[in-house]
Amino acid sequence: KAGVTQTPRYLIKTRGQQVTLSCSPISGHRSVSWYQQTPGQGLQFLFEYFSETQRNKGNFPGRFSGRQFSNSRSEMNVSTLELGDSALYLCASSFGQSNEKLFFGSGTQLSVL
Amino acid sequence: AQSVAQPEDQVNVAEGNPLTVKCTYSVSGNPYLFWYVQYPNRGLQFLLKYITGDNLVKGSYGFEAEFNKSQTSFHLKKPSALVSDSALYFCAVSTAQGNTPLVFGKGTRLSVIA
Repeated sequence: KAGVTQTPRYLIKTRGQQVTLSCSPISGHRSVSWYQQTPGQGLQFLFEYFSETQRNKGNFPGRFSGRQFSNSRSEMNVSTLELGDSALYLCASSFGQSNEKLFFGSGTQLSVL
Repeated sequence: AQSVAQPEDQVNVAEGNPLTVKCTYSVSGNPYLFWYVQYPNRGLQFLLKYITGDNLVKGSYGFEAEFNKSQTSFHLKKPSALVSDSALYFCAVSTAQGNTPLVFGKGTRLSVIA
């Protein structure tokens, strides 16, 4: 069974631009969560989607948004990029409940210049 | 809201010695506790979890963790460290309420020295 796939692996953007990251969960998993990882803050929860609906949301500004498609694939978008948005963005999937074991992708490393 | 504290940014241990990576948590209700490991340029890999039952949980790669309700701790342990155990370790907490997302600590970097 294929694991969680995130694309692209690396991204370089400039301030003010927007970016879209993609995540394909493990087949059969319906929940997709997104986390931001930075050296100083560890992993911070962005949001979780289940059956195309946002089920949970972390404390991030509205510039961070996401969506989930009917095949459970998910995208997250960051608009008006800031230098502080530079981070590793991790996607994780699980079968259903939010408190289940998560399966993580390798992440998208975003650098904002 | 739940939270996790990993009080040590870095833990150094000699190969063959026992290792402990500390984690304390705060949650309303019964906790679900997890440990994950991250190797360079990789996502997180699941090590073990505690939901209920025995306070000592055994996981992958010879790791185990001890749940202590009175101290609200869930420390990760291994009897004999390997150089290959060097990585970043994350503790996470959720609750028995099904739709509570996992909240992670800031991570502890483990270095095992040969």
